[in-house]
Formats: sequence, structure tokens, C-alpha cells
Amino acid sequence: SQQGEEDPQALSIQEGENATMNCSYKTSINNLQWYRQNSGRGLVHLILIRSNEREKHSGRLRVTLDTSKKSSSLLITASRAADTASYFCATASGTYKYIFGTGTRLKVLA
Amino acid sequence: EAQVTQNPRYLITVTGKKLTVTCSQNMNHEYMSWYRQDPGLGLRQIYYSMNVEVTDKGDVPEGYKVSRKEKRNFPLILESPSPNQTSLYFCASAGRKLTDTQYFGPGTRLTVL
Repeated sequence: SQQGEEDPQALSIQEGENATMNCSYKTSINNLQWYRQNSGRGLVHLILIRSNEREKHSGRLRVTLDTSKKSSSLLITASRAADTASYFCATASGTYKYIFGTGTRLKVLA
Repeated sequence: EAQVTQNPRYLITVTGKKLTVTCSQNMNHEYMSWYRQDPGLGLRQIYYSMNVEVTDKGDVPEGYKVSRKEKRNFPLILESPSPNQTSLYFCASAGRKLTDTQYFGPGTRLTVL
């Protein structure tokens, strides 16, 4: 299976609820990044967490990283309809080879 | 405006007809990369470049070529396209640090008949 697999594959929530998606990876990393993609458009960088960090916040986003479990989670609080998109994690190791996960499709219902 | 541009945005071609997808960035970034995105597989890295005349293979380089003759441009070349290269392609660029943000182009949807 591919490094950087997201879970769940799809998530549907009501506006105002929190959305949590998880990412697992297989090898040691330098950092892990989360991206958003709207309907087949280009990816937009959301947040980066370094391997020596455990938690990071940016606005309504909270990312955690557990290197012992090789996993990360992205929490979007107080979700809005505009958050509807696919979310991808990407890991960067010592080289510049980035490995992306398969993504979580989030749908926020108004 | 800082951006990564790709051309063409849409392309339909036939098996074996050589094609080039251009990528250009105006942020003076050292790093550039090509990805393909297929349903259920996420993004997979094809090639990347850390500097002019320096390129390296990603996870799925077979059937593709790249060149980096100028810092701002990183074209993707398919010398003999096949139907299994039908995909959505993205170019990205970033600074030299591994922690620098990657900026993505709008994508090129390629169909090979």
C-alpha cells in the first residue's frame, strides 16, 4: 500500500461540526504537509509540521503528528460549506521526493 | 502575482504522437516537480529538479522526460504517449528547503486515445 494513506476516504458532516482526517505513513520523515484540492484544481498548501513537532495550529486547522505511530491527523473546526474539498497529506523525507496520500473527500452540508 | 502556469490545460492526443506540457514559475524557485493524479491513487511524483540541469526520478518516471535548461521552466515531455498516461498532471515549485511550501499549477488534463 502507498505511504501517506488517508482515512477516511470520504467524510460528510454538517456545517459547524468538526472534521477529522487521518494520515498514516511508512518511513521516517523530515516533515508532513497537508493540502486541499477543490474539484480537480491545483493543490493548495494548508500547513506543515516538522518531524520534531507534535502539534500545530493555523486558524481553524489543527495538525498533530505522532512519529512513533507514523501518523498525523488534521482537524478542521467549525466547518463551513467552503471547506468542501479533498484533503491530502504529503510526506517529505531526506530527499525531495514527496509522497502523497490518496486523499479524504470532505463534504460539508449547509 | 506569484504563480505556476501550465500549458495546455487540456489536451487530447493519439498514441505515439510526441507532446510537451510546459510549466513555468515566476517565484525564482529552485525546486520544480511534476505529478500525475489518478482516481484512487492520489498524486504520484514523476520527476523533480533541484536546479538548472539537475533532474531526478520520482516514483513513476517511465514514459516521461523532463529538462531544466532555465530556472523558471520545467517542461514535461511524452515522446510516445500511451493510453495509460491519460491523467491529470500538475507542476509544482518550491524554494530550496525541504520545509518550503510547494506551489501548484492549475493542472493539465491529458487524454491519450
